[in-house]
Amino acid sequence: NAGVMQNPRHLVRRRGQEARLRCSPMKGHSHVYWYRQLPEEGLKFMVYLQKENIIDESGMPKERFSAEFPKEGPSILRIQQVVRGDSAAYFCASSSAQGATEAFFGQGTRLTVV
Amino acid sequence: KQEVTQIPAALSVPEGENLVLNCSFTDSAIYNLQWFRQDPGKGLTSLLLIQSSQREQTSGRLNASLDKSSGRSTLYIAASQPGDSATYLCAVRPPNTDKLIFGTGTRLQVFP
Repeated sequence: NAGVMQNPRHLVRRRGQEARLRCSPMKGHSHVYWYRQLPEEGLKFMVYLQKENIIDESGMPKERFSAEFPKEGPSILRIQQVVRGDSAAYFCASSSAQGATEAFFGQGTRLTVV
Repeated sequence: KQEVTQIPAALSVPEGENLVLNCSFTDSAIYNLQWFRQDPGKGLTSLLLIQSSQREQTSGRLNASLDKSSGRSTLYIAASQPGDSATYLCAVRPPNTDKLIFGTGTRLQVFP
């Protein structure tokens, strides 16, 4: 049973380009969470999704950021027109149900904006 | 607003020492508390999870305690080893939510 899979592991984008980060949850998990870790800071919650639904996006920046979790395929975190301040590690976690005791984290995608 | 603080921010010790890492949170209303380990450039590995009704959890050389009323948790590492070198993160889960609120971590180095 593979764990939470994120790809790519490393992503370099020039300012103004788009970044797409993918997350495949653990088998049997239908709940996905995205967190961002800025350099020298703790992880900050961004968004919580179920299949085809956004449950809580209270941590998402209002502009340029969007997330989806389609019926088929991985969850996607999309950052449009990236800026240097978007450089961070983006982690995905998944759980089996809303209110589940534990979420399991992926290895993260490290985004560098040059 | 829930805030999580970890002290110390960094710790360097010789191999074999027993260690205590501290985590404090401002709102005692939590669903659970979790300790993670993060190695450089890697993801998070869950170490111990304590439900709000529990006082402590143990796994091998690790013991985590929870004092919800005072807003504190400690992670005790016995007989530390160089392989324990990593950043240790504490996270609380507020009630009625599925998100975690993380501290900024304690960076531990255990030297031979």
